[in-house]
Amino acid sequence: ELKVEQNPLFLSMQEGKNYTIYCNYSTTSDRLYWYRQDPGKSLESLFVLLSNGAVKQEGRLMASLDTKARLSTLHITAAVHDLSATYFCAVDPYSGGGADGLTFGKGTHLIIQP
Amino acid sequence: EADIYQTPRYLVIGTGKKITLECSQTMGHDKMYWYQQDPGMELHLIHYSYGVNSTEKGDLSSESTVSRIRTEHFPLTLESARPSHTSQYLCASSAYNEQFFGPGTRLTVL
Repeated sequence: ELKVEQNPLFLSMQEGKNYTIYCNYSTTSDRLYWYRQDPGKSLESLFVLLSNGAVKQEGRLMASLDTKARLSTLHITAAVHDLSATYFCAVDPYSGGGADGLTFGKGTHLIIQP
Repeated sequence: EADIYQTPRYLVIGTGKKITLECSQTMGHDKMYWYQQDPGMELHLIHYSYGVNSTEKGDLSSESTVSRIRTEHFPLTLESARPSHTSQYLCASSAYNEQFFGPGTRLTVL
């Protein structure tokens, strides 16, 4: 059974600081996804990582994938309050483009304080 | 921008009622999914479909059923709602390595 573990699960940080969220998974896969969810809302796609060594950046967020270590990271640079949300990583266990659905981590609840 | 729609957005209903949650997408995607999410928790896959007339059960056992008669439509039905079905239900479709999520239906069963 595929397990996807995120840490930390809760993170409170100050504006302007840097931090990293980690996502470990237990099976071979070269497809990993990061989503953002605001309270009471649906999921917004942030990054799609499709190969070992993939790195993508959007604004203050940068995601990377190491398939050998079965690890992805989401790095936040100079955090701002608007980035407060829950961040989920998800793995495609069959590397088939999500044909059989994704397995999600428990999410990281991020609060950024002024 | 993904075009995937869910109705109703919120539903409060009594125990024993039959309900259908609607999901439709205008992108022509063959693959569609239903996930269940309790507040503040991870998503669990409950159903998926590869295309018309294809339906499969997901990782999380669910008393709901689904149908896929048309490519764009993937409704979920609960024959007899119970309080344990209270949750948020998210529909998604995918193509080219990315899943797009609908706005969700928040279901409360009293």
